[in-house]
Amino acid sequence: GDSVTQMEGPVTLSEEAFLTINCTYTATGYPSLFWYVQYPGEGLQLLLKATKADDKGSNKGFEATYRKETTSFHLEKGSVQVSDSAVYFCALSDYLGYSTLTFGKGTMLLVSP
Amino acid sequence: SQTIHQWPATLVQPVGSPLSLECTVEGTSNPNLYWYRQAAGRGLQLLFYSVGIGQISSEVPQNLSASRPQDRQFILSSKKLLLSDSGFYLCAWSVQGGTYEQYFGPGTRLTVT
Repeated sequence: GDSVTQMEGPVTLSEEAFLTINCTYTATGYPSLFWYVQYPGEGLQLLLKATKADDKGSNKGFEATYRKETTSFHLEKGSVQVSDSAVYFCALSDYLGYSTLTFGKGTMLLVSP
Repeated sequence: SQTIHQWPATLVQPVGSPLSLECTVEGTSNPNLYWYRQAAGRGLQLLFYSVGIGQISSEVPQNLSASRPQDRQFILSSKKLLLSDSGFYLCAWSVQGGTYEQYFGPGTRLTVT
């Protein structure tokens, strides 16, 4: 079955540092890939997405590129802020007609001033 | 624009009591609807999803049930709560036939005592 593997956290960074959160996936078809962010006590927000190989999703300074050859979708940001502290989830949807997403376990990011 | 509501925001219930959590979506028609549970410090567990009124699919066996009495209303219920039902419950929706990104509500924090 489909699966998503994320690096374990927490990831701790100082403000303005470069961020990478690794995500790799296993899927039977050609999935769409997503990154979601969850701030404390809130629901998940869609951060960015990519629907086919070599697509780059971007939003709010975050980027991720759909790499089919390495089955990866790593999240990057050039300069993190304290307000980026949150849990980040990588997810995929496989077009099996069930309209469901497979999520990774989440990676907590802590940014200090 | 579309919005998704969940209530209540927080709930404390004794073991063995009933449960009813409600989710409604505005600004869209015939959405796919989902219920997830997130235990403390853990990832997301898909509980139920629905592609239409009265059509419910269950992902895991448990003492919870779901119903969709109206197109944009999704209800999560239990006749008798267990301690293990404590967690953060999230409702989400997606567009039928789209690229399957899901949009989440603010969540309900349930504590079973």
